[in-house]
Amino acid sequence: GQQLNQSPQSMFIQEGEDVSMNCTSSSIFNTWLWYKQDPGEGPVLLIALYKAGELTSNGRLTAQFGITRKDSFLNISASIPSDVGIYFCAGQRGTGKLIFGQGTTLQVKP
Amino acid sequence: DAGVTQSPTHLIKTRGQQVTLRCSPISGHKSVSWYQQVLGQGPQFIFQYYEKEERGRGNFPDRFSARQFPNYSSELNVNALLLGDSALYLCASSRDRDRGREAFFGQGTRLTVV
Repeated sequence: GQQLNQSPQSMFIQEGEDVSMNCTSSSIFNTWLWYKQDPGEGPVLLIALYKAGELTSNGRLTAQFGITRKDSFLNISASIPSDVGIYFCAGQRGTGKLIFGQGTTLQVKP
Repeated sequence: DAGVTQSPTHLIKTRGQQVTLRCSPISGHKSVSWYQQVLGQGPQFIFQYYEKEERGRGNFPDRFSARQFPNYSSELNVNALLLGDSALYLCASSRDRDRGREAFFGQGTRLTVV
């Protein structure tokens, strides 16, 4: 099935470091969403972006909707051990269907 | 308020059997979507239902079907199960059908086909 290009695939960082991940597509999206998924759980919504160029923060998380509407990035500042998990981007074009990236696995070393 | 609830949480079925998964959306949400997540991949869209009608279908065989009830809860049915149907099945609810509204996911049903 169709998926977005999400990178990096995995990251292993030291506690306190900043993290950046991004998502690209060959097609335009009207909405970008970022989710975090813990093992055995469903994805939890972190940030929703609705307009090209939009920059939105949620605590230590910041995400931006690319001006071309074909990409988005997520930054996590001052990482902590509970940031461990899999982060997914998802794009939406105006129907309810979400198209997901392959996920970025984040591991944080205390 | 309760989030999206799915049942059962885990299920083991034999090849060729049929399975029904259930989902209750967040109160006030009228749209329910189903996703299949195979280990190591992002969720793949299966169906969207809004106001009890199918509004979208992903690239899945006809063995997969779903419906939405008047109270907006939903069932996903899979017939003639294959080993490859083993996955985490996720239900997501949103307030509206589209316009980029946030989708909130349940904890999923882990289906294992043996």
